[in-house]
Amino acid sequence: AQSVTQLDSHVSVSEGTPVLLRCNYSSSYSPSLFWYVQHPNKGLQLLLKYTSAATLVKGINGFEAEFKKSETSFHLTKPSAHMSDAAEYFCVVSSSSGYALNFGKGTSLLVTP
Amino acid sequence: KAGVTQTPRYLIKTRGQQVTLSCSPISGHRSVSWYQQTPGQGLQFLFEYFSETQRNKGNFPGRFSGRQFSNSRSEMNVSTLELGDSALYLCASSLGGASLRDTEAFFGQGTRLTVV
Repeated sequence: AQSVTQLDSHVSVSEGTPVLLRCNYSSSYSPSLFWYVQHPNKGLQLLLKYTSAATLVKGINGFEAEFKKSETSFHLTKPSAHMSDAAEYFCVVSSSSGYALNFGKGTSLLVTP
Repeated sequence: KAGVTQTPRYLIKTRGQQVTLSCSPISGHRSVSWYQQTPGQGLQFLFEYFSETQRNKGNFPGRFSGRQFSNSRSEMNVSTLELGDSALYLCASSLGGASLRDTEAFFGQGTRLTVV
């Protein structure tokens, strides 16, 4: 079985400060891990994915995530938050078949001026 | 090129009725997946179709069904609607031949279903 736990349901940061969104995973096999973002009234967009190549994965809009097998973590970071980063972020693990996605509960990121 | 298109965007139905939602994938994509998003349960996988065959199924009751046509368009149907079926239903398409490890799932904006 595979699952993800997003450790914070809400995160608030000031514009220009670093962002850290935490995710732990559980998987009985070598997982593929993803981060998706959902802006209000918009569809989900893939930020980045880990597929067992490099453990540090760079994504769009300056986001990156590091896969740490020993800690079963896949935290999402960004050096400097922008107002446009305010959105819901989902940590996701692929199913054993590889064709379905198992989503975490989401972290709502608020960016204040 | 056009993204994933879901119709209708909003729907209001009465308890006990049935509803059909439609999803047109990105041109060339042969896999279509459906997800239900609710405040309480979050995003949950319903089912996935590839080349007109259901390849994966989530843990939902039989009232939830789907199908895929030869042009890869997909529909999902919910019969005997319950209040708890109120949700945002999201469709995603991908190339389908390879797993999501090697491809990307592109999501539509969803259909907001309200059951009253």
